[in-house]
Amino acid sequence: KNEVEQSPQNLTAQEGEFITINCSYSVGISALHWLQQHPGGGIVSLFMLSSGKKKHGRLIATINIQEKHSSLHITASHPRDSAVYICAVRSYYGGSQGNLIFGKGTKLSVKP
Amino acid sequence: DVKVTQSSRYLVKRTGEKVFLECVQDMDHENMFWYRQDPGLGLRLIYFSYDVKMKEKGDIPEGYSVSREKKERFSLILESASTNQTSMYLCASSQRAKNIQYFGAGTRLSVL
Repeated sequence: KNEVEQSPQNLTAQEGEFITINCSYSVGISALHWLQQHPGGGIVSLFMLSSGKKKHGRLIATINIQEKHSSLHITASHPRDSAVYICAVRSYYGGSQGNLIFGKGTKLSVKP
Repeated sequence: DVKVTQSSRYLVKRTGEKVFLECVQDMDHENMFWYRQDPGLGLRLIYFSYDVKMKEKGDIPEGYSVSREKKERFSLILESASTNQTSMYLCASSQRAKNIQYFGAGTRLSVL
């Protein structure tokens, strides 16, 4: 079983729709990250969370530590939001500095 | 802005060749990482380094080695490339005390 599970794997939405991507994890964590990867490969860090909620523009990330679950929401989605969204966690027991455990990603396609 | 630069975006090599992938970061980060990314598997850590000349194996080190002679540069070496090493390779760096990793644009390697 993967330590970090994302759902859905693929998501197609119409421009303007509200989008939710989910991430569940099975290990104790010190932080959770949401990353965005555009076609072509480059990865950008969107959020780092250890509790509660963060907002940046149309993106909102929430985390529930007790339930070991995080969500990434996109309001008023736009075709430029089309990308792969990756959830990653830093385990308490990672041992080595900075190591992350990654989900397999959610591929989002927003149609105009 | 943090910049992580990978020497090549695309690379085609023959089976058995020795392959060098170079990564340079300009933010004086202590930690540097090499990942490979394959469809359906997500990002997997090959090796990381937390200081000059220091390295630790990640989840899939077999067939790879690394070199970190200078703080800003982290090289991934495929001693004898094989077809199953065809993949997207991503380099990242982070500060020692910070979780956020900054990624390069990736190198898409094809081994024929």
